Amino acid sequence: DSGVTQTPKHLITATGQRVTLRCSPRSGDLSVYWYQQSLDQGLQFLIQYYNGEERAKGNILERFSAQQFPDLHSELNLSSLELGDSALYFCASSPGIRGLTYEQYFGPGTRLTVT
Amino acid sequence: GNSVTQMEGPVTLSEEAFLTINCTYTATGYPSLFWYVQYPGEGLQLLLKATKADDKGSNKGFEATYRKETTSFHLEKGSVQVSDSAVYFCALRGSSNTGKLIFGQGTTLQVKP
Repeated sequence: DSGVTQTPKHLITATGQRVTLRCSPRSGDLSVYWYQQSLDQGLQFLIQYYNGEERAKGNILERFSAQQFPDLHSELNLSSLELGDSALYFCASSPGIRGLTYEQYFGPGTRLTVT
Repeated sequence: GNSVTQMEGPVTLSEEAFLTINCTYTATGYPSLFWYVQYPGEGLQLLLKATKADDKGSNKGFEATYRKETTSFHLEKGSVQVSDSAVYFCALRGSSNTGKLIFGQGTTLQVKP
């Protein structure tokens, strides 16, 4: 158990809908990262937050957004869902801002299926 | 940009066989390198890491050496077990001011008794 929790574990929804994925980082960790794992794209970095502020953006679609709240949990919002958004979404956390000497601890993931 | 290339899987071995999974990278500056493992139905776990050239990361019998001259970080284990069956990801973290990881495509290892 990494100490990072993600809810829900599974999510099935229809095209065009909007969903919210939630992540609680390990106690004391200030950085949260979101990654998407799909069969065709592999594991890709989406976005990073540190202590409530966005720090880095990867290949995140405009239909996707995220935020980190004062209690440090984070939410990833996916809207106007398409079939191709079906994937496993991972959250990871680390103590520091740069993470250069800190490991990232991954949650168990949320499996999103868009039908 | 930075990238990681891993050998294609799946890799199928018998128990106690020697394992090598190749990983090469492209990066500017001085990246840190990692191997993560994903067991079926689970998230990623850090297996080992190396933060500078010639460092050797090791854990649970797995080893990898950061070779800057060949831009490689190959994963090895002398004697695999059935419980090592999983997907292995090579990853790098660049020297920019973020901690984002760039992953290879993953290599599935299946160990047969």
